[in-house]
Order: sequence, then structure tokens, then C-alpha cells
Amino acid sequence: QKEVEQNSGPLSVPEGAIASLNCTYSDRGSQSFFWYRQYSGKSPELIMFIYSNGDKEDGRFTAQLNKASQYVSLLIRDSQPSDSATYLCAVKYNFNKFYFGSGTKLNVKP
Amino acid sequence: EPEVTQTPSHQVTQMGQEVILRCVPISNHLYFYWYRQILGQKVEFLVSFYNNEISEKSEIFDDQFSVERPDGSNFTLKIRSTKLEDSAMYFCASERAGGGRGGYTFGSGTRLTVV
Repeated sequence: QKEVEQNSGPLSVPEGAIASLNCTYSDRGSQSFFWYRQYSGKSPELIMFIYSNGDKEDGRFTAQLNKASQYVSLLIRDSQPSDSATYLCAVKYNFNKFYFGSGTKLNVKP
Repeated sequence: EPEVTQTPSHQVTQMGQEVILRCVPISNHLYFYWYRQILGQKVEFLVSFYNNEISEKSEIFDDQFSVERPDGSNFTLKIRSTKLEDSAMYFCASERAGGGRGGYTFGSGTRLTVV
């Protein structure tokens, strides 16, 4: 069974702070790792993906991957109220389908 | 920016009725997917489709479900006899080339309510 685990939250941070979101996965054969943002009632929106160990930065977002620990994280710098959403961690298997975590709800307080 | 479009945005149907959810993938994409999300739960893979046939399906995708690409643009998901537990958001997605490390773009979704 391929599991992707996330804390459901909510994670509350003040505006301007760094939000840190975490995800673990069970299958060492996982190939690519993704962070999606989902607003209530909307479809998941791709933020970024990573497939090599280490960090990948894109604007205010940094994804971190540690395959040995089977751990993926997302850092959001200078958090804004508009970042308030549910963040979904997803893992790609067989270069094809995704397994999603249940998501972490982030609240950024003005 | 190209996008995946889905219709209708919301469908209400009576239990036992057939429904067809429609998707227009991005025009030069070749791989197509359906996912669903029951309210408050995870996004779950249903089926992937390539070259006019199903390439993979999940346990959820039983005989009540079918997919079709009836013409060059639409990709449909049919549920033959809906059950209450089919109530969910259904998302379509597409990719230009499968087997890649990248992510794909989801459509805006269809909220299916079975009463």
C-alpha cells in the first residue's frame, strides 16, 4: 500500500512568517514529489515538484526532498493571507499516476 | 495558458441514474486521467487513458465506470448506475507525454451530487 502522510493541521502562521509543511511517503520506489495547493471547492493547483535529493527553490517556495528519510517538505517564505489554503503532497509512481496525501490546511493571519 | 475544461461544474442526479462527465483536455496532450475527491477526503486516482484505451485503473474504477474519447477533443467519464457514495468532485487531467517526472494540470472539476 502506497501511503502519503501529512498532518491535517490547521497550521497557523502570522503574515510574513515562514510556513513549513511536511510529508512522508511509504514507497521507496517513488519517483517524483509534488506540492499542490487547493482552495476550498477548487481543483488542485501545481506549485512545484522535485525529484532529486536536496532543495529546489521557486520564488517564495522551497521544496526539500530527503529520499533516505522518505520525507518531503515545502517552505513558504513571507507568507501572505492569500496563501491560506490546503496544501497537498503528491507522489508519482510508475511515471504515471499520483498518490495524494490528505492535505495540510494553512491559515496565514494578517 | 492552455487549460483543461470540465462540464458541467455541478451535476445533481438521482441514485441509479447514468451520468456523463465531460472533459476537454489540452489540445496536444495524449495522456488523460480522472481523479475524484470525496468531500473532506484525499484526491484519489481513478483511471489513466492513452491511445484510446485504459492504461491503468484503480480498485474504485469498477464495472459501473467507463471512459471514452468519442472524438478528437472530448474525454468522458460515465457512471452507469450512480450510488450515493459516488458523490464527489471529479477532476480530469492531461499530459502531453506520459512517463515523465513532471506534474499535470487538473481541470476545474465537476461536483457530482447523487440524491
